Amino acid sequence: GQNIDQPTEMTATEGAIVQINCTYQTSGFNGLFWYQQHAGEAPTFLSYNVLDGLEEKGRFSSFLSRSKGYSYLLLKELQMKDSASYLCAVSNSNYQLIWGAGTKLIIKP
Amino acid sequence: DTAVSQTPKYLVTQMGNDKSIKCEQNLGHDTMYWYKQDSKKFLKIMFSYNNKELIINETVPNRFSPKSPDKAHLNLHINSLELGDSAVYFCASSQDLSDLAGAQETQYFGPGTRLLVL
Repeated sequence: GQNIDQPTEMTATEGAIVQINCTYQTSGFNGLFWYQQHAGEAPTFLSYNVLDGLEEKGRFSSFLSRSKGYSYLLLKELQMKDSASYLCAVSNSNYQLIWGAGTKLIIKP
Repeated sequence: DTAVSQTPKYLVTQMGNDKSIKCEQNLGHDTMYWYKQDSKKFLKIMFSYNNKELIINETVPNRFSPKSPDKAHLNLHINSLELGDSAVYFCASSQDLSDLAGAQETQYFGPGTRLLVL
């Protein structure tokens, strides 16, 4: 089967750094996405990785290791507005997005 | 300008009724999707559709049917609503997957429709 695993919930402190991990097993691979979803709102696109390595975009970075079936999302200089769920999704060989259940990130002052 | 819009935002209805949710995108995308997000926040694909192919998640009951009058619209019709249908339904769109790959597959979501079946 195909599955995406990520922690259910994480807590971090404002101003700190947090890493959200995602491991996947899919039929083929055509890229990995990270989405952010605030409570009561729609998911919004954060990042895309298809090659191994780190992609940096402001305070957010995303890393991919295809051989390990592993990715992480790194959030620096955490702000209260970063409190949200972070969804990992993998595009498989049919370009279907397989979604993780999301990681709820709680930021404390 | 809203890229992907859905109506209604909230829908409260009785068990057994038939209802429709509308979705429109002005991004010029060729592929549209319907997702169901339940109380556990798990995002589940229901359908993906472009002018060439309808892909149905086989676990979706046939009470659910997508209807596309044109490539900018994908409506979701639900027959004989059940209590378990209560959830948030998201519409999304992306570029045609057969033409482009990689970051072009990025899906853009509508604001969601909160369906409550009583």
